[in-house]
Amino acid sequence: DAGITQSPRHKVTETGTPVTLRCHQTENHRYMYWYRQDPGHGLRLIHYSYGVKDTDKGEVSDGYSVSRSKTEDFLLTLESATSSQTSVYFCAISDGRAGGFSEQYFGPGTRLTVT
Amino acid sequence: DQQVKQNSPSLSVQEGRISILNCDYTNSMFDYFLWYKKYPAEGPTFLISISSIKDKNEDGRFTVFLNKSAKHLSLHIVPSQPGDSAVYFCAASTQGGSEKLVFGKGTKLTVNP
Repeated sequence: DAGITQSPRHKVTETGTPVTLRCHQTENHRYMYWYRQDPGHGLRLIHYSYGVKDTDKGEVSDGYSVSRSKTEDFLLTLESATSSQTSVYFCAISDGRAGGFSEQYFGPGTRLTVT
Repeated sequence: DQQVKQNSPSLSVQEGRISILNCDYTNSMFDYFLWYKKYPAEGPTFLISISSIKDKNEDGRFTVFLNKSAKHLSLHIVPSQPGDSAVYFCAASTQGGSEKLVFGKGTKLTVNP
């Protein structure tokens, strides 16, 4: 299994509070991604990173920010959590090998509940 | 606008029989397709992939077929086993660049003993 950990694994927070989720990898992969999974929606990309300090928006980026100061860590921040951000959040990594396509490998997920 | 569609939310098959999961896509720029399996309370795990230059890829009990003209792919599992019971996600991407994946909504497969 790819070395990907997410913390915390579960979190309950109140509306309006800031929340930061952490993804840590030990594979030295270039690309890192944050997805959310909701019933009836599958997995949707929030933000992704293609290198240290290089990030870009995904499909559902509103209300989220990210940072990547080291290759191994990718942080997802909800500046002011809302109930619509209650979801399961998955981090993924890929090595972006040249001349081909590299699969993404997923972490175990963080279940976030905003009350 | 849903670019990757899995129109069957669920599928039930008997152990030992074939499971066929279907996926349609609308974006003709997609050139790489993947299937992921997900158990409850776990992250998705990569299962099998196929490049648009191929029409079939096989890995043990799992085979993916791609029909580019119909913008359709399918995952065949033969023989199906109870441990295959999970949610299966189809995903698509374009090679190069950030390799972002676009996922379907998933199909829940139940294999009955």
